[in-house]
Amino acid sequence: EADIYQTPRYLVIGTGKKITLECSQTMGHDKMYWYQQDPGMELHLIHYSYGVNSTEKGDLSSESTVSRIRTEHFPLTLESARPSHTSQYLCASSEAYVGNSPLHFGNGTRLTVT
Amino acid sequence: GQQVMQIPQYQHVQEGEDFTTYCNSSTTLSNIQWYKQRPGGHPVFLIQLVKSGEVKKQKRLTFQFGEAKKNSSLHITATQTTDVGTYFCASPTNAGNNRKLIWGLGTSLAVNP
Repeated sequence: EADIYQTPRYLVIGTGKKITLECSQTMGHDKMYWYQQDPGMELHLIHYSYGVNSTEKGDLSSESTVSRIRTEHFPLTLESARPSHTSQYLCASSEAYVGNSPLHFGNGTRLTVT
Repeated sequence: GQQVMQIPQYQHVQEGEDFTTYCNSSTTLSNIQWYKQRPGGHPVFLIQLVKSGEVKKQKRLTFQFGEAKKNSSLHITATQTTDVGTYFCASPTNAGNNRKLIWGLGTSLAVNP
């Protein structure tokens, strides 16, 4: 099983709060990703990084931001949470560019904004 | 834009029956990956197919990549309750340097014991 960790596992928070979802991996992978997934639905790429100090927005518009100061750490921040942000957030990493190597996913953070 | 169509969206089977999910594209795929996501869990990589006409097996699972590299299938023989979950196919975009995956919508499999 892949060594990629997400915290918290579940989070219930009020509207307007600032939150940071943590993601860390111990595999030394340069490539990391954030996906958003509603229950039983498709995965939407919201952010990705190909290395330290490199971040890009994904296909799904998101009000979140990310940073990549260290190879192993790729946190996602919501400055002001809204009910529309309620979803599951999945962090992933890969050894090489996708298509050349598989994605390793964390257990996800289930976010509920009230 | 590039799409990967996955069918069916849902499938209910009796334990012991076979199951197949299909992924189709209008464009040639460089390769295709398959993932399984258990209820409440995260996607787990199953396999990657690269070559035209490739067939790979993992115990009761058989993966195929079409000769034209435009379609792929996952077949499960004699389903078990442990097979329950959503199966996704994914393929890298044709543009750029394989930097993004295009995901199918997934096929949710329910198995009645």
